[in-house]
Amino acid sequence: NAGVMQNPRHLVRRRGQEARLRCSPMKGHSHVYWYRQLPEEGLKFMVYLQKENIIDESGMPKERFSAEFPKEGPSILRIQQVVRGDSAAYFCASSPAGGAGGDVTQYFGPGTRLTVL
Amino acid sequence: AQTVTQSQPEMSVQEAETVTLSCTYDTSESNYYLFWYKQPPSRQMILVIRQEAYKQQNATENRFSVNFQKAAKSFSLKISDSQLGDTAMYFCAFMKFGANSKLTFGKGITLSVRP
Repeated sequence: NAGVMQNPRHLVRRRGQEARLRCSPMKGHSHVYWYRQLPEEGLKFMVYLQKENIIDESGMPKERFSAEFPKEGPSILRIQQVVRGDSAAYFCASSPAGGAGGDVTQYFGPGTRLTVL
Repeated sequence: AQTVTQSQPEMSVQEAETVTLSCTYDTSESNYYLFWYKQPPSRQMILVIRQEAYKQQNATENRFSVNFQKAAKSFSLKISDSQLGDTAMYFCAFMKFGANSKLTFGKGITLSVRP
């Protein structure tokens, strides 16, 4: 069973460009989470999605950031008009169940390192 | 809101010895999960161990075990027989039971295992 896949692993963008980060959850997992890690910091929650639904986006900036998890295909985290402060590692995690029982463990992808020039 | 505190930024241990990493948390929830994740230089986040708050027995995974003190809101990780491959950042994380299953992480601790 392949793990959580993220691509690209490294992404360089100039200020004002768009960044698209992709995440394919583990097979059988329908819950996807995005986290951001700034240098020397822990991971900070951004958004939680299930297929075609955003469950919790309380950690995502109101502007320029959006996320989706379509019925078919990977989850996408999109950052429009990137700024230098968006430079960070973005991690995706998936789990087979949400937080109300079952296996709630989140398994992480390798992350995407975004650098904004 | 939940908070997770890892007050030790760095620790060092001799290979084959035992080390304990501290973590405290603050919550008003009675049912929740606690995790330790490891992040080696490759930056991959790897699950080390998980504890359900309703279980009194401390979780154990091979050389890794936890000391879970619910009343004190403490969740420390003990690594026995430390190996060079244990060198990494270790993050403690909290998840409340229920529909919103996001993880709240501490700032992490850098563990170095000396040969």
